[in-house]
Amino acid sequence: AQKITQTQPGMFVQEKEAVTLDCTYDTSDQSYGLFWYKQPSSGEMIFLIYQGSYDEQNATEGRYSLNFQKARKSANLVISASQLGDSAMYFCAMREPPQFGNAGNMLTFGGGTRLMVKP
Amino acid sequence: KAGVTQTPRYLIKTRGQQVTLSCSPISGHRSVSWYQQTPGQGLQFLFEYFSETQRNKGNFPGRFSGRQFSNSRSEMNVSTLELGDSALYLCASSLQGGLYQPQHFGDGTRLSIL
Repeated sequence: AQKITQTQPGMFVQEKEAVTLDCTYDTSDQSYGLFWYKQPSSGEMIFLIYQGSYDEQNATEGRYSLNFQKARKSANLVISASQLGDSAMYFCAMREPPQFGNAGNMLTFGGGTRLMVKP
Repeated sequence: KAGVTQTPRYLIKTRGQQVTLSCSPISGHRSVSWYQQTPGQGLQFLFEYFSETQRNKGNFPGRFSGRQFSNSRSEMNVSTLELGDSALYLCASSLQGGLYQPQHFGDGTRLSIL
């Protein structure tokens, strides 16, 4: 089973509108971290926002917020007031405690959502 | 504070050759991870180093290896290159690789195999 599922391969949003990018995850651990990254066409991976599994408040970082629903195992990214520069690939990732004989925490990425902002 | 620096940015090699990629983490970061990104397979974890020790390893053949130096800089080596090794290789660092610590990525090395 996929650890991180992003069901929207591509999305369009009108400039200045809000958009929600979906992410569901699968883990049996109680402790984990959820992260969102942005990857423009140039290739660099930019860290946007993070949510810990024990955090009760949804994380916010400027125009980015994370809609964390633990019982549903979802961690959707909300971008408010979209800008043309928001056009990029967006990746949801989860960090879990050591697995399969490894000694460190594992970070697993979803397949990504390509967001295109229309002027 | 300088970000994660990867060199070189672009590399062209032929099948059978070997290649070494370099990564300098953010100052103070001791955990360095490597990822391979391809259009078909997405982002795949290669390995993680912490305090000069490989702590995590992904599901890649032994042709892929790495190491970390005492200053936390890391190198990744791929031997006997295959066409399928063409990819963007991303390096990421974090303070200690903690569960709640974000990883910060470099700009990547784009490797093309002819």
